[in-house]
Amino acid sequence: KNQVEQSPQSLIILEGKNCTLQCNYTVSPFSNLRWYKQDTGRGPVSLTIMTFSENTKSNGRYTATLDADTKQSSLHITASQLSDSASYICVVRENSGGYQKVTFGTGTKLQVIP
Amino acid sequence: DTEVTQTPKHLVMGMTNKKSLKCEQHMGHRAMYWYKQKAKKPPELMFVYSYEKLSINESVPSRFSPECPNSSLLNLHLHALQPEDSALYLCASSQGPGESYEQYFGPGTRLTVT
Repeated sequence: KNQVEQSPQSLIILEGKNCTLQCNYTVSPFSNLRWYKQDTGRGPVSLTIMTFSENTKSNGRYTATLDADTKQSSLHITASQLSDSASYICVVRENSGGYQKVTFGTGTKLQVIP
Repeated sequence: DTEVTQTPKHLVMGMTNKKSLKCEQHMGHRAMYWYKQKAKKPPELMFVYSYEKLSINESVPSRFSPECPNSSLLNLHLHALQPEDSALYLCASSQGPGESYEQYFGPGTRLTVT
């Protein structure tokens, strides 16, 4: 069964500090991996997408990495801001032709405090 | 316009009521989705419409009935729901159902069944 596991489950950091969120997956065959940010009670918003051949991708203060061999991804947030407080969800899509099923991770709840 | 809109934002209904959730996008997307998200859990896929036809039904109970009147609209008709159906219902759309297409999520409808 395809699984996507994220760690830590929750994280509290001081404003201005950096942090790294982890995502391990067993989805196969792999198509792509997205990191989403979801504010409480709102829909997820895509931050980055990683395909098999990509190792690193940045979007402002967000940098995602992918190791397709070990099936691991990370999301690094630099110089955190209070507005970064949200849940971060790793979503992995399988490459099975037609509609490719996505598997959502359980998310990491990040709280940035002043 | 890169927005998916959902109405209502909040809905409280009794177990004998009939109500509908609405979702709209004007990005020309041909795939639309309904997800259910319980608190502190990732979204769970319910239905996928591809080119206005139901292509995926993830074994959802018949008290949830989706409808796609046209390529811009997606409804979810609710009847005889149970308290455990209380959740955030997310609508999403993508250019197509294929692997490279990002899903854009709406803000969700917070449903409470009493």
